[in-house]
Amino acid sequence: GAVVSQHPSRVICKSGTSVKIECRSLDFQATTMFWYRQFPKQSLMLMATSNEGSKATYEQGVEKDKFLINHASLTLSTLTVTSAHPEDSSFYICSVGGTNTGELFFGEGSRLTVL
Amino acid sequence: GQQLNQSPQSMFIQEGEDVSMNCTSSSIFNTWLWYKQEPGEGPVLLIALYKAGELTSNGRLTAQFGITRKDSFLNISASIPSDVGIYFCAGQPIESGGSNYKLTFGKGTLLTVNP
Repeated sequence: GAVVSQHPSRVICKSGTSVKIECRSLDFQATTMFWYRQFPKQSLMLMATSNEGSKATYEQGVEKDKFLINHASLTLSTLTVTSAHPEDSSFYICSVGGTNTGELFFGEGSRLTVL
Repeated sequence: GQQLNQSPQSMFIQEGEDVSMNCTSSSIFNTWLWYKQEPGEGPVLLIALYKAGELTSNGRLTAQFGITRKDSFLNISASIPSDVGIYFCAGQPIESGGSNYKLTFGKGTLLTVNP
């Protein structure tokens, strides 16, 4: 399967600042990447689909101006949480689709804590 | 949207015991997948199922795609301490809007194995 890497794995920031999380597909050229959010002891919720060279597709209820997604190359997608607030504290995980329908390969996740 | 009912929520077992968990839905799914997530990590794909009735094994893990296409189960035989983690079922609903990777996740089963 695809190897996906995220950076940073942990980040702590002050309320009101912006944080960028990178997701790299190390061995696979991904025209599409997926960003998920996971609150403690909860399931994964799809936030948005990142499309290389075009705008991301956001799920209902996800603010596109708050969660900026850029997919400038076939191996890198970035998620920027703008003007972060404590309620944005969560585990953010990106994924890449495999060759078979429905297969997703996830990165290690990025733990965001907003103080 | 579609919801997956995953049970049990948690399990505490002794090493060597067999484990069974399942997911059900009121909707028909095209694909069922099972993932394992360890603390602070992204989920890892265990088994993917694509046909109703399909039974697939991966080492000590066995999963089946229900004939009604509305359920799936995962069995782990002869559990070992490293089986500890959260197991998520995920499915691709039939109304996935043309995306091959838009999955709905269950809430997870937390497995604890006592040595």
